[in-house]
Amino acid sequence: DSGVTQTPKHLITATGQRVTLRCSPRSGDLSVYWYQQSLDQGLQFLIQYYNGEERAKGNILERFSAQQFPDLHSELNLSSLELGDSALYFCASSVGTIGNEQFFGPGTRLTVL
Amino acid sequence: AQSVTQLDSHVSVSEGTPVLLRCNYSSSYSPSLFWYVQHPNKGLQLLLKYTSAATLVKGINGFEAEFKKSETSFHLTKPSAHMSDAAEYFCVVSDVLAGSYIPTFGRGTSLIVHP
Repeated sequence: DSGVTQTPKHLITATGQRVTLRCSPRSGDLSVYWYQQSLDQGLQFLIQYYNGEERAKGNILERFSAQQFPDLHSELNLSSLELGDSALYFCASSVGTIGNEQFFGPGTRLTVL
Repeated sequence: AQSVTQLDSHVSVSEGTPVLLRCNYSSSYSPSLFWYVQHPNKGLQLLLKYTSAATLVKGINGFEAEFKKSETSFHLTKPSAHMSDAAEYFCVVSDVLAGSYIPTFGRGTSLIVHP
């Protein structure tokens, strides 16, 4: 158990809908990272927050957004969903931002029908 | 720009034989390098990391990796495979960009261990 929790574990929805994925980092970790894992794209870094502020952006679509709240939990919002958004979405946390080990949550499997 | 190439999508070994998972990287700066393991239906777990200290890095579960700057490689090895090592392995390079390390993941190598 990494100490990172993600909810829900599974999510099934329809095209065009909006969903919110939630992540609680390990106690004491200030950084939260979001990743998308799919068969065709592999594991892609989406976005990082550090202590409530966006720190780095990767391959995140404009339809996706995220935020980190004062209690350090984070939410990833996916809107106008398409079939191709079906994937595993992982959250990871780390103490800081520079070269720290990331601890991964178990993931949320999103299926868009 | 940074990139990672895992040279084998699948590696198959017999239990008790050595494991070699190959990773080449490119990076504009002095990178941090990581190996993560993902067991089926689980999140990723860190095996080991290199951050410009010793070039031979020892990790968990008997794995180790050697950083070779001249070859831009960071191959993962283990002397003797166990059935429990069967999993997906990811090589990761992380380069500093605007004060934060942005990780780039390889496509993964699936390790298959035969009894």
